[in-house]
Amino acid sequence: SQQGEEDPQALSIQEGENATMNCSYKTSINNLQWYRQNSGRGLVHLILIRSNEREKHSGRLRVTLDTSKKSSSLLITASRAADTASYFCATDAGSGYALNFGKGTSLLVTP
Amino acid sequence: DTGVSQNPRHKITKRGQNVTFRCDPISEHNRLYWYRQTLGQGPEFLTYFQNEAQLEKSRLLSDRFSAERPKGSFSTLEIQRTEQGDSAMYLCASSHGVGGEQFFGPGTRLTVL
Repeated sequence: SQQGEEDPQALSIQEGENATMNCSYKTSINNLQWYRQNSGRGLVHLILIRSNEREKHSGRLRVTLDTSKKSSSLLITASRAADTASYFCATDAGSGYALNFGKGTSLLVTP
Repeated sequence: DTGVSQNPRHKITKRGQNVTFRCDPISEHNRLYWYRQTLGQGPEFLTYFQNEAQLEKSRLLSDRFSAERPKGSFSTLEIQRTEQGDSAMYLCASSHGVGGEQFFGPGTRLTVL
């Protein structure tokens, strides 16, 4: 079963706008990661936030983590058409640190 | 290219046949993971290796599935007596150490007719 749940399932915005995606999870975690997947391709790691961190930035990406609410958000600022992809949150909590992925948010950025 | 590679990229097979996929991780990574992804879903964990030892297997990994990582380098995933429900993208990832970023390969897309 999948641990994370992204919201919304699909998001359509115009270039230059900001995109916010949310992720909720069920059990305690060691860290939470966000990945991007372009159509039919492998996943690309975007950012990792540890359970003792609350916010992290990387370029146009901003991730927050609220462990009390078991939720995270990914903000992409000044979106570009190239940001069109599916975005997944993934948590790891087990001894093997295998990742548990959500179903993803499909982002469409139109010129 | 020093990323994770997977072969073949696509595999079409008939129900009942056996298939084998290969994953070559990033050379210094000691951890290797297999995931399966179906359309509209996120990847689901199948199994992982630390060096040559298979340390964890998901309940998704039925008896028809077997994975190996001889000498702690490349890994193979074999599916015996394939079923139509096995059709999916099979993703391999590797990492160095514990609890960090996993680097994914492009995947092998399996279609079982």
